[in-house]
Amino acid sequence: DGGITQSPKYLFRKEGQNVTLSCEQNLNHDAMYWYRQDPGQGLRLIYYSQIVNDFQKGDIAEGYSVSREKKESFPLTVTSAQKNPTAFYLCASTPGEVNTEAFFGQGTRLTVV
Amino acid sequence: GQNIDQPTEMTATEGAIVQINCTYQTSGFNGLFWYQQHAGEAPTFLSYNVLDGLEEKGRFSSFLSRSKGYSYLLLKELQMKDSASYLCAVRDLGGSQGNLIFGKGTKLSVKP
Repeated sequence: DGGITQSPKYLFRKEGQNVTLSCEQNLNHDAMYWYRQDPGQGLRLIYYSQIVNDFQKGDIAEGYSVSREKKESFPLTVTSAQKNPTAFYLCASTPGEVNTEAFFGQGTRLTVV
Repeated sequence: GQNIDQPTEMTATEGAIVQINCTYQTSGFNGLFWYQQHAGEAPTFLSYNVLDGLEEKGRFSSFLSRSKGYSYLLLKELQMKDSASYLCAVRDLGGSQGNLIFGKGTKLSVKP
């Protein structure tokens, strides 16, 4: 079955450590996105990528980094520079057409301890 | 600027009808989406509007007025499982494909 997979579902990190969240899709979608969701907040865009080896900052990119070496994969690294990393992270993908919805992974809940 | 407004919370009774409103101000417009999100889960797609008017899909309908920057999601015959957050999202014209800008979501509680 085609879909978008995030791992792990729950992640704990010690303060000051970098951590990488995985996102893989087998939908053959061109574009991939990372969103952050905090309680009472909507989804805020961190980074997005429209083609392999290219990505752009979203609204809240500071303290995060990404790579897009393969069409299927778009990992997100939360660095120690991110001051408040505890949140629910969602990865999404869309095909090339603009009138199609985004497909979401199941999310990763990151907690800094 | 870019802004999407929705009510924070709503409560309705099982079997009733509820309308969730969304107003938006974006630099460009290339469609409006409604998603349902249960707590701790990923959003799931409900509807898409790009032209003015009503789109009906079973118990769910969505309406769009581009001139007013306004949409609503209508849920009929409410069920307990409809208790969730409902996210309004606008596809902006920025970038070659455009990005989804999300509202903060409306938390709907369905009471027996």
